[in-house]
Amino acid sequence: EVQLVESGGGLVKPGGSLRLSCAASGFTFRSYSMNWVRQAPGKGLEWVSSISSSSSYVLEADSVKGRFTVSRDNTKNSLYLQMNSLRAEDTAVYFCARDRIVGATLEAFDLWGQGTMVTVSS
Amino acid sequence: DIQMSQSPSTLSASVGDRVTITCRASQSVGSWLAWYQQKPGRAPKLLIYKASSLESGVPSRFSGSGSGTEFTLTISSLQPDDFATYYCQQYHSYGTFGQGTKVEMK
Repeated sequence: EVQLVESGGGLVKPGGSLRLSCAASGFTFRSYSMNWVRQAPGKGLEWVSSISSSSSYVLEADSVKGRFTVSRDNTKNSLYLQMNSLRAEDTAVYFCARDRIVGATLEAFDLWGQGTMVTVSS
Repeated sequence: DIQMSQSPSTLSASVGDRVTITCRASQSVGSWLAWYQQKPGRAPKLLIYKASSLESGVPSRFSGSGSGTEFTLTISSLQPDDFATYYCQQYHSYGTFGQGTKVEMK
């Protein structure tokens, strides 16, 4: 089955760190650029970060630049988001999502995980 | 950075209605515009890409149009399963989303 499964969410104190993972299956993970999108409770979608298939380019939203780092391990079919210096406003469901086209640089997202909740609170 | 704005924020409609949602970009994004549907507690679902291309498996009552800075998503005849929140996303530069349009039952 073609799917993405996120994990690693939880409760963390302000200033703390968390590492999210996204496990891919059912498709050739190494061929696709991947993305993180978040959604604060009751709010809209916010693009967070993108990484190309070979990790040659990485894009990050200004709101997380310098604090969050996206990476991937194509041997493990996994995408990661290292989140440091967490703030209350980072509280959200974090989704991983796949680019629609193999080898694309920027594309629509055609496959999404179910999301993992991150809560930043003291 | 490119900003996206959707209107209306909320839309009340009945089954069978024709529904139109507008998305405007702060600068041209060409045709690099997608539409998603999201239901509560679920991940978004891609409906339209490249402004007007229908994603595989999406009913033909959904259509998209526009280019540059103004885009529309149209549902030709609203069905019970279509009550949801809809988001536009530009992917010309990064991946900014609009704030969403909730389609609710009148």
